[in-house]
Amino acid sequence: DQQVKQNSPSLSVQEGRISILNCDYTNSMFDYFLWYKKYPAEGPTFLISISSIKDKNEDGRFTVFLNKSAKHLSLHIVPSQPGDSAVYFCAAPIAGKLIFGQGTTLQVKP
Amino acid sequence: DTGVSQDPRHKITKRGQNVTFRCDPISEHNRLYWYRQTLGQGPEFLTYFQNEAQLEKSRLLSDRFSAERPKGSFSTLEIQRTEQGDSAMYLCASSLAKRGLYEQYFGPGTRLTVT
Repeated sequence: DQQVKQNSPSLSVQEGRISILNCDYTNSMFDYFLWYKKYPAEGPTFLISISSIKDKNEDGRFTVFLNKSAKHLSLHIVPSQPGDSAVYFCAAPIAGKLIFGQGTTLQVKP
Repeated sequence: DTGVSQDPRHKITKRGQNVTFRCDPISEHNRLYWYRQTLGQGPEFLTYFQNEAQLEKSRLLSDRFSAERPKGSFSTLEIQRTEQGDSAMYLCASSLAKRGLYEQYFGPGTRLTVT
């Protein structure tokens, strides 16, 4: 029962262009969402979050959009930089724990 | 500012052996979590503590797994009679239990290989 899904295992973009990472969820009880970034041999690091009372949250080059009716959220990175190359996970908290998607590997080419 | 630390970073063991991992959370955090991550998957919740009390255990946590958090500080995760299917990255995270705060801060993980 995958409550949080990231259907694109990988994404490749050119440096300077926009990266769009997508995430879908099935549980209507989710009211908060987080994005984490993970480099090899490191733990996930928190990137940005959004509450369900908002439809957009922006932090520098990173913007998360939430479409509650579609149960869909996306992370936009503009402009993309080679250092953004990592695995990105979306997650939702419920009952104290985080439910993660499978992750999307982003490669930003110079 | 010290983050979450885990020890060891890597562990190779033979099937049937017991292993123990340690996690030291961020000092002011009262919640501590254990997750397991396998290749191509996101982290999966195993268990969590608030102070020294273990509040929830996932059905993924078989009887061979046990976690403790004595005195509400560091935590240990023990796996008895390891199996090859236990090979994974074991991640520890911590957070402050406060209404509206959901961010968890992760350590670097312990990679377990069972041969």
